[in-house]
Amino acid sequence: DIQMTQSPSSLSASVGDRVTVSCRASQSISSYLNWYQQKPGKAPKLLIYAASSLQSGVPSRFSGSGSGTDFTLTISSLQPEDFATFYCQQSYNNPWTFGQGTKVEIK
Amino acid sequence: QLQLQESGPGLVKPSETLSLTCTVSGGSISSSSYYWGWIRQPPGKGLEWIGNIYYSGNTYYNPSLRSRVTISVDTSKNQFSLKLTSVTAADTAVYYCARQLGSGTYYNQWFDPWGQGTLVSVSS
Repeated sequence: DIQMTQSPSSLSASVGDRVTVSCRASQSISSYLNWYQQKPGKAPKLLIYAASSLQSGVPSRFSGSGSGTDFTLTISSLQPEDFATFYCQQSYNNPWTFGQGTKVEIK
Repeated sequence: QLQLQESGPGLVKPSETLSLTCTVSGGSISSSSYYWGWIRQPPGKGLEWIGNIYYSGNTYYNPSLRSRVTISVDTSKNQFSLKLTSVTAADTAVYYCARQLGSGTYYNQWFDPWGQGTLVSVSS
């Protein structure tokens, strides 16, 4: 299985901060990497697909980059509604696997 | 707008079979463009992909669960289902169904939208 490792596991940030979350794959996955946001008690929501494509309806302050083994999710200016847990997911090989999550909390 | 809704028992006894159904509305499960998947999340933990199915019945399963999992589709009801046998407490989780879509090949795909999820507890 391809292991996905996110860092950090959690972070504290203030409204307006620029936030970056990293995701590293245990082998190259080309650009087959997706990002989801999950709020407490809710289902995950797709933010970014294919490493850098913004899902329709998702604010442009979210962006994704990377290829191969190293990927980044960036929130350019953190908003109150962005506090949540973020997961990366690879679809290069079965089984699809997710990172362990990064919880973004209010400082 | 496509919507998915999970349904099934919220409590299953150890060693028994967990059975869930996902009803798709606002679109056809028979679309040739999509797979339909199950993902679970134990309380307070991360996400685990269980498997997925194409409208024709073609399936892919997570090897860690393959011996206990069956996913089936009923195109007449616009539903797909999950059966997980011989459950233990480790199978307690929120179970989500989701549409899998992507680039046109099986790989490079993503999940959107997701159902709201249903908590299944395994306990006697």
